Amino acid sequence: DIQMTQSPSTLSASVGDRVTITCRASQSVTTWLAWYQQKPGKPPKLLIYKASSLESGVPSRFSGSGSGTEFTLTISCLQPDDFATYYCQQYSSYSMYSFGQGTKLEIK
Amino acid sequence: EVQLVESGGGLVQPGGSLRLSCVASGFTFSSYWMSWVRQAPGKGLEWVANIKQDGSEKYYVDSVKGRFTISRDNAENSLFLQMNSLRAEDTAVYYCTGDGRLGASDCWGQGTQVTVSS
Repeated sequence: DIQMTQSPSTLSASVGDRVTITCRASQSVTTWLAWYQQKPGKPPKLLIYKASSLESGVPSRFSGSGSGTEFTLTISCLQPDDFATYYCQQYSSYSMYSFGQGTKLEIK
Repeated sequence: EVQLVESGGGLVQPGGSLRLSCVASGFTFSSYWMSWVRQAPGKGLEWVANIKQDGSEKYYVDSVKGRFTISRDNAENSLFLQMNSLRAEDTAVYYCTGDGRLGASDCWGQGTQVTVSS
């Protein structure tokens, strides 16, 4: 099974900051990596797929990069609506997906 | 409008069974891999199972193998999860997802709560 590890688990930042969340896979997932945003009481929302492809309707301040085992999600200029929990997910084969443990982005 | 609506959750005793349903609308259901993802109270996301467009391939996380069965009815735009031998650790919100972005889940239902307790 492929294990996904996100860091940090919690991140405190201010509106206007640039933030980066890292996701590491226990083995290569090439670029089969997605990022989701989840707010309390709501289902997750897809932000990025195929490591760096921006989902339709997602603001361009969100970007993803990486390949193999190391990936990053960057938010270039934090907005109030961005404070949420973020998850990475590998889907390198249809037979076993897995998520990272999540990163909670808090207001400093 | 793309929509997934889950139902069938509830309170069940350990060892009991539940059948979750998910009805899709607003997209071509039969063209999508579909998944179930769960989230225990205060915890992260856990992928549970998925199924190919024609139902010919099904995969499960190890913790539910032999107890849960995923299925679909493309004529009714419906996805199902039969859950048997339920345990306390299966308590979670269960989400139905459509995996239309090369495997990534681009549509999600609102979730249905499953509570396993005596």
